[in-house]
Amino acid sequence: QKEVEQNSGPLSVPEGAIASLNCTYSDRVSQSFFWYRQYSGKSPELIMSIYSNGDKEDGRFTAQLNKASQYVSLLIRDSQPSDSATYLCAVSKDTGRRALTFGSGTRLQVQP
Amino acid sequence: DAGVIQSPRHEVTEMGQEVTLRCKPISGHNSLFWYRQTMMRGLELLIYFNNNVPIDDSGMPEDRFSAKMPNASFSTLKIQPSEPRDSAVYFCASSSDRAQLAGHNEQFFGPGTRLTVL
Repeated sequence: QKEVEQNSGPLSVPEGAIASLNCTYSDRVSQSFFWYRQYSGKSPELIMSIYSNGDKEDGRFTAQLNKASQYVSLLIRDSQPSDSATYLCAVSKDTGRRALTFGSGTRLQVQP
Repeated sequence: DAGVIQSPRHEVTEMGQEVTLRCKPISGHNSLFWYRQTMMRGLELLIYFNNNVPIDDSGMPEDRFSAKMPNASFSTLKIQPSEPRDSAVYFCASSSDRAQLAGHNEQFFGPGTRLTVL
């Protein structure tokens, strides 16, 4: 079992719709959770971080965390073609080893 | 503010040659991470430093890889000798302990070095 799992996609949504991206993790000691966006040929760009159970909203993005279910999600409202990218879920244990463990990413395509 | 700076952006070399990748973290950040990204394995940690000291090098694939951080503003990742299977994009990222104490553990990535070993 991979430590961080994501559906590779592609996830295709029409412009203006809500895109829902999901991630599960295996290690219960995980404490910090991140979503990075990566355009083709570019570096990962941090778009959301979440540390406690519940929802966290930032503009069109909402991150949701459920530690009991070991589940993290990212919702993108009013999806735009410019949101088309690969979204990487990353997890940190914060127990002395602060490096991130990444999922393989979900490719999102927003159709105009 | 300048982000993480990496050089070179692209490197093409022949098998057996030495390759040195360079990274300058964000000013004030005291943790530095080297990651490698390939299609097959995704994004994986190679090594990370805290206050210039290597903390976790469990991801370094073998003795051909070495990393140093001689001061707070500079790190190198060296591959000697290089092999075609080392072809990948190598990213450097940095973060701040002070930010972590405030509850923020975010890492910020540099533009990467695309390495091709022929």
